[in-house]
Amino acid sequence: DTGVSQDPRHKITKRGQNVTFRCDPISEHNRLYWYRQTLGQGPEFLTYFQNEAQLEKSRLLSDRFSAERPKGSFSTLEIQRTEQGDSAMYLCASSLRTGGFEKLFFGSGTQLSVL
Amino acid sequence: GDSVTQMEGPVTLSEEAFLTINCTYTATGYPSLFWYVQYPGEGLQLLLKATKADDKGSNKGFEATYRKETTSFHLEKGSVQVSDSAVYFCALSDPLSTLTFGKGTMLLVSP
Repeated sequence: DTGVSQDPRHKITKRGQNVTFRCDPISEHNRLYWYRQTLGQGPEFLTYFQNEAQLEKSRLLSDRFSAERPKGSFSTLEIQRTEQGDSAMYLCASSLRTGGFEKLFFGSGTQLSVL
Repeated sequence: GDSVTQMEGPVTLSEEAFLTINCTYTATGYPSLFWYVQYPGEGLQLLLKATKADDKGSNKGFEATYRKETTSFHLEKGSVQVSDSAVYFCALSDPLSTLTFGKGTMLLVSP
């Protein structure tokens, strides 16, 4: 168990550029979540996958955001035409849903700064 | 919708002091309740949980009791250590929804 890994740890970009983040979940975890956390706030849900299917998207996820999880393994989160308001920590979590209680394991996050 | 309110920080304590971090929630159903902890430079980790009313979650000397009548899930520890310095998040999960977090409370423990 190597834990949930996210890449990159930090990303600085200029407004209007596109960025892509990657998340590698714990192997065999069938659920993968993306959250966003701004300074002084708790994590806010963005979207989640069960295997390769994207099952839910938050209203926070504008059409500039897209997430994929090909083959139900790693996931990518892309932000197009970044805005300064997109600056935040993007967190990925994975879990193995087997019924009953679901425990999420979080990565350390990708800190995005949009200049 | 669901929401979680927790006390603002930072909470500053001396080592071996008693800790309480208040958390109240609003939910339409019968949620499960959690406390997560985030140590500096690390990802969020589940600290403890309670899945029904009157359950007490406990771990590493921390505990919290699910109080349905007051919609609360306050975190307590009898004697904090410097290594407990971190940000603590209260969260809830309804059967049909994903985790909803509070804003977090920073705890600073000095020797």
